Amino acid sequence: NAGVMQNPRHLVRRRGQEARLRCSPMKGHSHVYWYRQLPEEGLKFMVYLQKENIIDESGMPKERFSAEFPKEGPSILRIQQVVRGDSAAYFCASSRDRKNIQYFGAGTRLSVL
Amino acid sequence: GENVEQHPSTLSVQEGDSAVIKCTYSDSASNYFPWYKQELGKRPQLIIDIRSNVGEKKDQRIAVTLNKTAKHFSLHITETQPEDSAVYFCAAPTGNQFYFGTGTSLTVIP
Repeated sequence: NAGVMQNPRHLVRRRGQEARLRCSPMKGHSHVYWYRQLPEEGLKFMVYLQKENIIDESGMPKERFSAEFPKEGPSILRIQQVVRGDSAAYFCASSRDRKNIQYFGAGTRLSVL
Repeated sequence: GENVEQHPSTLSVQEGDSAVIKCTYSDSASNYFPWYKQELGKRPQLIIDIRSNVGEKKDQRIAVTLNKTAKHFSLHITETQPEDSAVYFCAAPTGNQFYFGTGTSLTVIP
């Protein structure tokens, strides 16, 4: 009964490179949420996806960031041309449906050099 | 204004004392209010939640109260222990999102 799985746990990128963060939801969950957390700050909503659909991306920066949740495989958060300000912990959460409990993965800590 | 406001931002208590963290929300349609505990370097973990059809819920030393009229809910930790030291986040749904409070860093002094 695995929980929400995120990989990698740590990711180091140089400015201008691409970062790909993966999230596999809990078994039976079809709703995925991505959050960004800066050091000593709260969780900022980025995007909410269901299988093959983006439901709400109002928290995503307009440029360089994209997310997907394909029919098969994990959800992917993609950051193109990373900058130092992208350094943060990125958490994924999943739930059974929109009004249900969200369970968090262990996060991916992105460091941009 | 913020959808969810959380106070205080930091809280220190002596071991054995009680701790109370308060959150207010703006969307009167919100109907589910979870609380998460995040230890340093770890994931947020759900510790208790409450739905809008009840006013209080308890789980051992932890309780949550909800005042729908005033649109606020509170986390109560009694008989605090050093392992309760962590950052606590409240959350409330608005539309498709959960808005999280800015967190309360709780320190329990042995």
